[in-house]
Amino acid sequence: KAGVTQTPRYLIKTRGQQVTLSCSPISGHRSVSWYQQTPGQGLQFLFEYFSETQRNKGNFPGRFSGRQFSNSRSEMNVSTLELGDSALYLCASSLAGREETQYFGPGTRLLVL
Amino acid sequence: GQQLNQSPQSMFIQEGEDVSMNCTSSSIFNTWLWYKQDPGEGPVLLIALYKAGELTSNGRLTAQFGITRKDSFLNISASIPSDVGIYFCAGANYGQNFVFGPGTRLSVLP
Repeated sequence: KAGVTQTPRYLIKTRGQQVTLSCSPISGHRSVSWYQQTPGQGLQFLFEYFSETQRNKGNFPGRFSGRQFSNSRSEMNVSTLELGDSALYLCASSLAGREETQYFGPGTRLLVL
Repeated sequence: GQQLNQSPQSMFIQEGEDVSMNCTSSSIFNTWLWYKQDPGEGPVLLIALYKAGELTSNGRLTAQFGITRKDSFLNISASIPSDVGIYFCAGANYGQNFVFGPGTRLSVLP
């Protein structure tokens, strides 16, 4: 089985712009979770989608949003980018989410200038 | 909210040595996961634990689910250079999303 894929792998944006990241889960997995990873804050949970519905959300501002499609692929959007949004954005998929074992993608490295 | 602590924060060992690291929580979990992350890559799942007291091995790696359900341990035997990286633990309760520890950075000296 192919693993979790994320596109693009690298991205450079400027402050005020918006960005959309994509995640394709492992075939058969219906849950996708998104995380932000920075050196100072570690891995922080953004949100989880299951069957096209957001099931849980972390403590991030409304500029961070996401969605999931019927084929379980997920996108994450960040609007009005700030310098502090520079991070590695990771998605993880699992069969049914929550306490189920998660498998991570390679991440998208976002740099905001 | 729930928090995980990992110790040590970093460690330098000689190639061939055994390594031990642990993860502790202020509350109980029903699932523990251990991941390894290389620079610029996503975490790779090493071992998953689902039952208190469970001891599971994956090659030179062995992890245990603490009987109090508030801790987990990861051991690496006979370390090699490719063991270098950051090791993360993650815990979750039924119906809840995972909480991740801050990681243990492992360096292996030749």
